[in-house]
Amino acid sequence: ETGVTQSPTHLIKTRGQQVTLRCSSQSGHNTVSWYQQALGQGPQFIFQYYREEENGRGNFPPRFSGLQFPNYSSELNVNALELDDSALYLCASSLGPTSGRAAAGELFFGEGSRLTVL
Amino acid sequence: DQQVKQNSPSLSVQEGRISILNCDYTNSMFDYFLWYKKYPAEGPTFLISISSIKDKNEDGRFTVFLNKSAKHLSLHIVPSQPGDSAVYFCAASEINDYKLSFGAGTTVTVRA
Repeated sequence: ETGVTQSPTHLIKTRGQQVTLRCSSQSGHNTVSWYQQALGQGPQFIFQYYREEENGRGNFPPRFSGLQFPNYSSELNVNALELDDSALYLCASSLGPTSGRAAAGELFFGEGSRLTVL
Repeated sequence: DQQVKQNSPSLSVQEGRISILNCDYTNSMFDYFLWYKKYPAEGPTFLISISSIKDKNEDGRFTVFLNKSAKHLSLHIVPSQPGDSAVYFCAASEINDYKLSFGAGTTVTVRA
């Protein structure tokens, strides 16, 4: 069983640039969620994709956007990068909402992509 | 607006003793609670969960207690082992909503 993989693991960008982060979900999972974890804080929900459709969004501006592909992998795109976007970006896959509360609520996380904005 | 709070940033405990981690929440719509464990350079891994219809859930050395009236939950680890040294996150979700709200985490250090 292949776990959740994210790329790249580390990257450095400058203010105003754009970044794309990628995530491959765990085998059998059709739902992907993205979280931002700033230093010293817990993960903050960005959005979730279920069967290629956005299925919920947190308090993040529209310059944070995403995609989910037919194979359930996903991308997170951030435009017009700001210094405060520096964080660990975590992708998590799970079973879909129709799988029941316990199964859908258990998220399987990748190791994250560490973004530094200078 | 921090809806899930872990007020103890760190906890140090001797091997073999009990570790008690606390978590408070403010959102009365939360009905499902989880604990995640995170090692350095790894993503968080699911540890244990509890539904609001229960007040206790046990899995081996790990037990989660939920006090809905106090909006408080705790994680007990008995006995603590060196491999338990990690950051522990408390998380919660509302009914019919699968997004998780996380606390800031508690770093547990188990001393030999």
